[in-house]
Amino acid sequence: QVQLQQSGPGLLKPSQTLSLTCAISGDSVSSNSAAWTWIRQSPSRGLEWLGRTYYRSKWYHDYAGSVKSRITINPDTSKNQFSLQLNSVTPEDTAVYYCTRTSFHRDFDYWGQGTLVTVSS
Amino acid sequence: QSVLTQPPSASGTPGQRVTISCSGSTSNIGNNYVYWYQQLPGTAPKLLIYTNNQRPSGVPDRFSGSKSGTSASLAISGLQSEDEADYYCATWDDSLNVYVFGTGTKVTVL
Repeated sequence: QVQLQQSGPGLLKPSQTLSLTCAISGDSVSSNSAAWTWIRQSPSRGLEWLGRTYYRSKWYHDYAGSVKSRITINPDTSKNQFSLQLNSVTPEDTAVYYCTRTSFHRDFDYWGQGTLVTVSS
Repeated sequence: QSVLTQPPSASGTPGQRVTISCSGSTSNIGNNYVYWYQQLPGTAPKLLIYTNNQRPSGVPDRFSGSKSGTSASLAISGLQSEDEADYYCATWDDSLNVYVFGTGTKVTVL
């Protein structure tokens, strides 16, 4: 059974960097059939796919255009986890952030517990 | 913001059949698989249907999915009180190069 455990701060000021980590158990961040993804949810924007990292003989990263200039998703093979960094946050980045596994079928079959991140001065 | 349109709400009495629609375009639903997620209050979304009409292990067969052209549907037959939740469709969009989600439908059991 795959489990994803999120960690990271929930309160940021504008212009700071959002940093979240997702620890994986029951699978490997280096899996050749999965991708590791961040999704956020807010009342104003709904569910929004942010990006993913995955390993297919080498590491790949895909990011949503809406955050491409500010986002980094990195794997950490030594700790079997992956992270999200979002620079220069604004109140519009206030949302619940989820880490997920994208399966072989390209669905999000396992989700972290979610982290409410609030950006406020 | 969302490129997939769902009705904001749907309702039924226990035992009834409820259908939720998801409308998109050729760049998303028309050319890719559709997925459905159920979100209970205060929890993360849960995968309900994958690749248009397949149920993961543990999902009751009361839930079924279908796709035709640029639209998809989720049907809940034999509605139960525990089905009260928000439901979202999702797929890949070839033009935007992102996964896109529907606007969400709140199902109420009367």
